Amino acid sequence: DAKTTQPTSMDCAEGRAANLPCNHSTISGNEYVYWYRQIHSQGPQYIIHGLKNNETNEMASLIITEDRKSSTLILPHATLRDTAVYYCIVRDRDDKIIFGKGTRLHILP
Amino acid sequence: SAVISQKPSRDICQRGTSLTIQCQVDSQVTMMFWYRQQPGQSLTLIATANQGSEATYESGFVIDKFPISRPNLTFSTLTVSNMSPEDSSIYLCSISPVWEQFFGPGTRLTVL
Repeated sequence: DAKTTQPTSMDCAEGRAANLPCNHSTISGNEYVYWYRQIHSQGPQYIIHGLKNNETNEMASLIITEDRKSSTLILPHATLRDTAVYYCIVRDRDDKIIFGKGTRLHILP
Repeated sequence: SAVISQKPSRDICQRGTSLTIQCQVDSQVTMMFWYRQQPGQSLTLIATANQGSEATYESGFVIDKFPISRPNLTFSTLTVSNMSPEDSSIYLCSISPVWEQFFGPGTRLTVL
């Protein structure tokens, strides 16, 4: 079973920041938080991952709470091409990925 | 990043037949994963395939229905056997060389 809880869907206006929450209250000390997204009819795409520090790359930022029980993925300036299903996953580095239901993000023009 | 290709990209099959899906990777990897995505659903892991050993299947999936081959470090096949309409899905192979996990483009299977 997936170890994360995410809202089923969210809307965000184009050009605004999209903040996608994820709860992972049972995360263990050696598990990382990963985010993937799946644009319609494509395979999932890696976005970012982190252990306990906040992370940023060219696609997004990942904010992890100090107790590591929740996190937020931030897309700073959402575009229509960011419309996708976003999956928050916790896993040990060498472990398989188990997908939950994810959040369907709609970017509104 | 890794390049993963799958064949066929899509197929329409009759019930009771079998289809073998091929997955080719442009680099050597120890573990390969096979996932299924039923219409409107999330991805479900079918099995993990290590080169040189039997695949490890997840709960609800059995080798007789989904036999997997892993002849070398860049190639794997998944067979969907004795198909029924419930097997209509997208099947994706995946690798995890370091931190990221990469996914192939998927094989869209329709069973009539």
